[in-house]
Amino acid sequence: QVQLAQSGAEVKKPGASVKISCRASGYIFTNHAIHWVRQAPGQRPECMGWVNGGNDGTDYSQRFQGRVTFTRNAAANTVYMELTRLRSEDTAVYFCARDIGGESTKLDPWGQGTPVIVSS
Amino acid sequence: DIQMTQSPSSLSASVGDRVTITCRASQSISTYLNWYQQKPGKAPKLLIYGASSLQNGVPSRFSGSGSGTDFTLNIGSLQPDDFATYYCQQSYIMPRTFGGGTTVDIK
Repeated sequence: QVQLAQSGAEVKKPGASVKISCRASGYIFTNHAIHWVRQAPGQRPECMGWVNGGNDGTDYSQRFQGRVTFTRNAAANTVYMELTRLRSEDTAVYFCARDIGGESTKLDPWGQGTPVIVSS
Repeated sequence: DIQMTQSPSSLSASVGDRVTITCRASQSISTYLNWYQQKPGKAPKLLIYGASSLQNGVPSRFSGSGSGTDFTLNIGSLQPDDFATYYCQQSYIMPRTFGGGTTVDIK
């Protein structure tokens, strides 16, 4: 079945960077975009953007422009999200999710989430 | 950004109850509206897309309606597995913003 497996929890100091991986299985990797969504404790999910599974195309939420980079390794069916210049407000669970495709964005399934704690 | 507002923010209900959750967009989004269910410590799960289309494998007691700015998620007969938080999300433009969530708990 379609699955997304994310890398493990991270603890970082303010100003550092974090890079999270998301490995896809059970479908043709290049046929679907992968979205990144984060959720701070007790808050609503927040979309960070997406990366095209078939090429290096990306679209970033303006809120994260200049601090976030999505990359992919098609041979490994894996996408990566790197967030730089971390601050305490970046403490959240970070999810990757497959866009089913078609006329509009619809995310299914999601990875299990990667907790990131930013603390001095 | 498009603002998504859900109501109520929480509700208490019993097994077998019919539950209605509403979501309002700050501008028209046609039918570019998804609904997700999230349980504590888990990732969201897609229930409804395109405002009213049921995702594969989702029980038929879930239904969605609406267009433009006003949308509704209905749970026809609440089951024990349905106690969770529900989020709407607009997929009209980037960023794909979510509503604040509606937590359904046991009365």
